[in-house]
This record gives sequence, C-alpha cells and structure tokens, in this order.
Amino acid sequence: DVKVTQSSRYLVKRTGEKVFLECVQDMDHENMFWYRQDPGLGLRLIYFSYDVKMKEKGDIPEGYSVSREKKERFSLILESASTNQTSMYLCASSSTPNTEAFFGQGTRLTVV
Amino acid sequence: QQQVKQSPQSLIVQKGGIPIINCAYENTAFDYFPWYQQFPGKGPALLIAIRPDVSEKKEGRFTISFNKSAKQFSLHIMDSQPGDSATYFCAARRGAGGTSYGKLTFGQGTILTVHP
Repeated sequence: DVKVTQSSRYLVKRTGEKVFLECVQDMDHENMFWYRQDPGLGLRLIYFSYDVKMKEKGDIPEGYSVSREKKERFSLILESASTNQTSMYLCASSSTPNTEAFFGQGTRLTVV
Repeated sequence: QQQVKQSPQSLIVQKGGIPIINCAYENTAFDYFPWYQQFPGKGPALLIAIRPDVSEKKEGRFTISFNKSAKQFSLHIMDSQPGDSATYFCAARRGAGGTSYGKLTFGQGTILTVHP
C-alpha cells in the first residue's frame, strides 16, 4: 500500500515562528503536493513538485515556501507563522500527473 | 475564484436513502473528475472517478453522473449506510498541455450524515 506520512498530527506554534511541516512517501512517486483544508473552502493547493528540486506555485502560495531535496520528502515552510495560517495541512503524492493522488492523514496547525 | 463549486455543504439522510451531491466546473481544460471521501482524522481517499467521454460510472453503491454540456457532475450513493457518513469532495484535474497538468482543483466539500 502507498503510504504518505506527515511528521506531526497536531502542532501549536506562536505567531512569527518559522514552521516546518514534513511529508514522506514510500512509493517512489514523482509528484508531491501540499494542500490546506478549511471548512467551507475545501482543499486548496499551496505548492506542488514534479521532481526533486523542482516546485511550482499552487493557488495560495503567499506566506509559504517548499523544499524537495530528496524524491521521497516534500517540506512545507511557513516563514513567519500568522494566525490566518491556522488550518489542516494535507500532503499528497502521485506517480505521474494523471494517476491517483494519495493523501497523508494531515497536520492540524494552530498558530497562537 | 472557485473553479469547482460543490453543493450542498451538508446533507442528512436516513439509512437506505439516496444522497446526491452536485458539482459544477468552469474550465474546459479539466479532463478527469474524481470524488474523494474523508473520514474524521483521516486524509481524503479516492472513491470513484470519471472522464468526460462517459456520462455515468458505477462502482458498487456509488454512481457518478456527468453532463459535459452543462459542465456538471454529481455523486449518488445508493442504499446509504451510517458507515458512509463522511465528508465528500469533488475535484477536477487539468489535462496535458499546460504547466498545471495533473493539478487537482477541489470543491468546497459536503458533510454527509446517514442516520441509522
């Protein structure tokens, strides 16, 4: 089975902190994605990556950056956390752009 | 700008009922339309998907109806069960030929509750 693992289920951070969310997949997938999930807004794409060291902005990249140094790992970085970044963050991966995306269990981030 | 609009936001049915969730899209570059199911504390998981050259697809109790001319698609759950209680998301994926190939755009989600 494909496994997408997010390093933390719950995080509480202070405003202004630099926050790292880590995601690892074990299926040698080329593509990885970061979404945030908010009630009434669904899932919105923050960043995605089609290859190592490659990244593209999604629909809401402001306030975020990403890093993909190894194929299996995709990190989301909040440079200076703000309260409006309190949300559920979901990582996903797929083997090619036109195959099924598998999601991790999510990280619920609270910024206080 | 919400490119995929989903309704209703929440839905309550009795066991055995047939909940219907609707989605509408704008971008004709979409070429694949999946539905995801999410249980509390879990990430979304692919439930069923359809391509626009087909008007209907069934998998078990789940059916997608697709209307290409209206740019609408819907999920029907036959003989719904309490275990179907979850959040359902429709999505649309960009086809090949652009920088956003493979990118999924999601609807707002529908919280389904099936009472015993």
